[in-house]
Amino acid sequence: DAEITQSPRHKITETGRQVTLACHQTWNHNNMFWYRQDLGHGLRLIHYSYGVQDTNKGEVSDGYSVSRSNTEDLPLTLESAASSQTSVYFCASSGVGFPSTDTQYFGPGTRLTVL
Amino acid sequence: GESVGLHLPTLSVQEGDNSIINCAYSNSASDYFIWYKQESGKGPQFIIDIRSNMDKRQGQRVTVLLNKTVKHLSLQIAATQPGDSAVYFCAENRGNQGGKLIFGQGTELSVKP
Repeated sequence: DAEITQSPRHKITETGRQVTLACHQTWNHNNMFWYRQDLGHGLRLIHYSYGVQDTNKGEVSDGYSVSRSNTEDLPLTLESAASSQTSVYFCASSGVGFPSTDTQYFGPGTRLTVL
Repeated sequence: GESVGLHLPTLSVQEGDNSIINCAYSNSASDYFIWYKQESGKGPQFIIDIRSNMDKRQGQRVTVLLNKTVKHLSLQIAATQPGDSAVYFCAENRGNQGGKLIFGQGTELSVKP
């Protein structure tokens, strides 16, 4: 079955280290999104992509970057991890062929702790 | 400011009762709305959606109502079960935002046996 996966599921790192979170979808969706979820803030959009080589900043993009070299993957990189980036990160994708192009389907999440 | 908000952060219902979760939105340009369910430790799961040219849509045990006049969205769950306990989010697509969704804070539904 088609799906969206994230790895690792849990990550502990130290302040200042570079961290990359992986997101892989097998639906052949054009659109992919990264969110972070924190208590009191709900889901906030970090970066998103509408296709290969396309990337866009969301509302909380500072300190994060993404690259889209193929349809299936959108890795999220924290250039220099900060304690404020401790959060749960969700990847989502959407595209033609599902109930709606606008419906986003989410991965299981990555819990990141920055010490 | 622009936001998708929820009237109640928590909702407790008895098993078998119907649940109603409400959501207010502020942007009249929004043309698509989604309800998600999130269980502890999992990602949001799609429940049901509705476009702005509709005022009601039904799924299995769930109904979404859209009132564009007052910019209000609700999710009704019939015969609520313990497995329905979760946080429920509404999200809106603001038409010209190219597929980006704006999420509300979430309502935690607790089902008492």
